[in-house]
Amino acid sequence: EVQLVQSGAEVKKPGESLKISCKGSAYSFATYWIGWVRHLPGKGLEWMGIIFPGDSDTRYSPSFQGQVSMSVDKSINTAYLQWGSLKASDSAIYYCARARVSSSWDAFDLWGQGTMVSVSS
Amino acid sequence: DIVLTQSPGTLSLSPGERATLSCRASQTVSGNYLAWYQRKPGQAPRLLIYGASRRATGIPDRFSGSGSGTDFSLTISRLEPEDFAVYYCHQYGSSPPGTFGQGTKVEIK
Repeated sequence: EVQLVQSGAEVKKPGESLKISCKGSAYSFATYWIGWVRHLPGKGLEWMGIIFPGDSDTRYSPSFQGQVSMSVDKSINTAYLQWGSLKASDSAIYYCARARVSSSWDAFDLWGQGTMVSVSS
Repeated sequence: DIVLTQSPGTLSLSPGERATLSCRASQTVSGNYLAWYQRKPGQAPRLLIYGASRRATGIPDRFSGSGSGTDFSLTISRLEPEDFAVYYCHQYGSSPPGTFGQGTKVEIK
């Protein structure tokens, strides 16, 4: 089955680091852009950035540039979203999503189940 | 960045009624690269429409998208009980970054 499976929920303290993952299966992972989307409680969706697993080309939204880091390990079909120092305001659900068309940024037709990140002292 | 403004914020309708949701962009969306998603509580978003008017695989034909340039809309011709959810537009343009609208909640009247 074509799917994206994300890592489980995380509970962290402010200032801690975190890396969450998104594993693709049953498709050519290296050839489809993977995006990350934030959903804040009670708020809308936010486009964070997008990465191409084939060559790790990464584009960030200005709102998230310098706040998070995206990476991939195409040998294990996995994309990552990383924080160096979490803040309480990072508490949200984070989704990874695949662009619809190979080698093109496009609408997101395949989504992970989401990873809930809670940051509290 | 392109800002997408959705209206109304909330739409209160009854099953069987027609829903029309609007998404206005602060500048022209190149290539009409505009998508619509449905999101229900506890679930990931689901792609409904891409390219402003093309239905994604498996989406019922009661969902339709239209528009070009800066003004786009999503129409649900007859609301089914499972259609009550939050809907987001998303422009993916010719290059990143993409942006989402703030969402329209379709609730049961």
